[in-house]
Amino acid sequence: AQKITQTQPGMFVQEKEAVTLDCTYDTSDQSYGLFWYKQPSSGEMIFLIYQGSYDEQNATEGRYSLNFQKARKSANLVISASQLGDSAMYFCAMREGRYNFNKFYFGSGTKLNVKP
Amino acid sequence: GAVVSQHPSRVICKSGTSVKIECRSLDFQATTMFWYRQFPKQSLMLMATSNEGSKATYEQGVEKDKFLINHASLTLSTLTVTSAHPEDSSFYICSATPTLGYHEKLFFGSGTQLSVL
Repeated sequence: AQKITQTQPGMFVQEKEAVTLDCTYDTSDQSYGLFWYKQPSSGEMIFLIYQGSYDEQNATEGRYSLNFQKARKSANLVISASQLGDSAMYFCAMREGRYNFNKFYFGSGTKLNVKP
Repeated sequence: GAVVSQHPSRVICKSGTSVKIECRSLDFQATTMFWYRQFPKQSLMLMATSNEGSKATYEQGVEKDKFLINHASLTLSTLTVTSAHPEDSSFYICSATPTLGYHEKLFFGSGTQLSVL
């Protein structure tokens, strides 16, 4: 079974509007972390936001927020006030456990295009 | 913030040659590093977990003899693609988290685009 599922291969959003990128995960572990990374065309992986499984409040980092619904096992990324520079691939990821040797599992990604 | 340096960023080689890719953690120690492979417009596929001072752990389907991993120090892991062939052409990217302390995120190198002719 897939650990991380991203069902939106591509998304379009108008500049300055908000957009939600979907992510669902599958784990039986109690301790895990959920992450979103941005990958522009240059290939680098840019960390955006993190949510721990025990965190009760949704994580926020500037224009990024993570809508964490534990019971539904979803961790959607919300980008507010989209900018042209937000156009990129976005990957949802999960780490089971909290140690440096725990593997990260990545979803298939969502290609976001921001229209002027 | 923590920085992971990966070199080279791009390499073109002839079929049958070996290529070495270096991954360094510049300002932290990492007993564990990860190597990923990414095909165009696809996700990152974990190839192996590199462990300092011991053998790497390879994911199912990844050839150990084709992709040699050496993690000789706490700040350096290398991936050698041996006898490279065109089907090995891909984007390879390494990552690490600091050994000491608790750090949530994975720090990535900038990746290496390998093209085998």
